[in-house]
Amino acid sequence: NAGVTQTPKFQVLKTGQSMTLQCAQDMNHEYMSWYRQDPGMGLRLIHYSVGAGITDQGEVPNGYNVSRSTTEDFPLRLLSAAPSQTSVYFCASRLTGTGFQETQYFGPGTRLLVL
Amino acid sequence: AQKVTQAQTEISVVEKEDVTLDCVYETRDTTYYLFWYKQPPSGELVFLIRRNSFDEQNEISGRYSWNFQKSTSSFNFTITASQVVDSAVYFCALLYSASKIIFGSGTRLSIRP
Repeated sequence: NAGVTQTPKFQVLKTGQSMTLQCAQDMNHEYMSWYRQDPGMGLRLIHYSVGAGITDQGEVPNGYNVSRSTTEDFPLRLLSAAPSQTSVYFCASRLTGTGFQETQYFGPGTRLLVL
Repeated sequence: AQKVTQAQTEISVVEKEDVTLDCVYETRDTTYYLFWYKQPPSGELVFLIRRNSFDEQNEISGRYSWNFQKSTSSFNFTITASQVVDSAVYFCALLYSASKIIFGSGTRLSIRP
């Protein structure tokens, strides 16, 4: 298993540009989520999904869109990038959306710089 | 409201010293999970341990040990005989309401040779 993969690893955007951060997992996990990590702060939940076709907002959803058309993929879209979105983005997955038993696995992260 | 506090922003110790990382949490849920993750300089997040709210048994894994006390809402992490490879940022996290998770701000641990 490749686990949780994210692409790209690094990205530089200009203000107002749009882009999609890709996240995929091959563990047949129902639950997937996106976090951002800023200096001096812990990870903050952006959006999450408890299964294909189901998404919900986390703590800091503004400026981001998600969709979950397949179990494997959970892309994060920035519609109009802003400097405040400069951050490291982590995708994570776990087996189910409602259980407490599972370990959450993280991808390697995407470093995004918005100029 | 849910909250995870890691009051120690940075800790620096000499190799082979023991070090304890503190984590205090707040939640009104009776069922919840607590986690510790390690983030080495390479940036990935590595799962260390999971503990559910009904299991206060302490756990030891090699040089790592965890002390969970519901009475003080704490889930502290101790590294015994620290090594340079333990240098990383360590995050405590709270999973509540089935699918919501909140992280502490992290503790940066530096182990000096």
